[in-house]
Amino acid sequence: AQSVTQPDIHITVSEGASLELRCNYSYGATPYLFWYVQSPGQGLQLLLKYFSGDTLVQGIKGFEAEFKRSQSSFNLRKPSVHWSDAAEYFCAVVTYGGSQGNLIFGKGTKLSVKP
Amino acid sequence: ETGVTQTPRHLVMGMTNKKSLKCEQHLGHNAMYWYKQSAKKPLELMFVYNFKEQTENNSVPSRFSPECPNSSHLFLHLHTLQPEDSALYLCASSPGLVDEQYFGPGTRLTVT
Repeated sequence: AQSVTQPDIHITVSEGASLELRCNYSYGATPYLFWYVQSPGQGLQLLLKYFSGDTLVQGIKGFEAEFKRSQSSFNLRKPSVHWSDAAEYFCAVVTYGGSQGNLIFGKGTKLSVKP
Repeated sequence: ETGVTQTPRHLVMGMTNKKSLKCEQHLGHNAMYWYKQSAKKPLELMFVYNFKEQTENNSVPSRFSPECPNSSHLFLHLHTLQPEDSALYLCASSPGLVDEQYFGPGTRLTVT
């Protein structure tokens, strides 16, 4: 069955430090991959997406992610974290059944930022 | 209003009440979704509508009843809920069924 794994439940980084959030997926075909961010009490905001083409994708707020087919990974990175980046981050994959896609989410990684 | 809006933002209801959650999208999308987000659980897809037709019912109890009168509006009618139904209910929309989804801010539901 298709699945998304985010191995880190909670990560704490210092402001200004670099960040990498891990995501692994299980899906037989080429996936459509997404990263979303959720601030407390809010809905999810799309950070970036990968459909095809260049495996390094740029998103909003200075985030980027790299698709690595050999590792079934789609890790999210940011070179310098800001205090406002503290939130929960969700990786997701669209899987297909006929003409319909279902968005499957990982359990999320909560990011805390130290001053 | 832009994007996806949801009302109310917070709702407290007793187990015998009937209430409805409303979602509206101003993006011209064709697909709309209801999700349930509980603490320490992954997001759970509840219902999917495409061009007003329900295409997915993810084994949701009948005490949750969706309604999609047009491609811009989606409702979730609630009746005789249980305390374990307390959660954040998120609405989303997308251009088509395999596209990125745009989420509303959610309705925080508490069942007492």
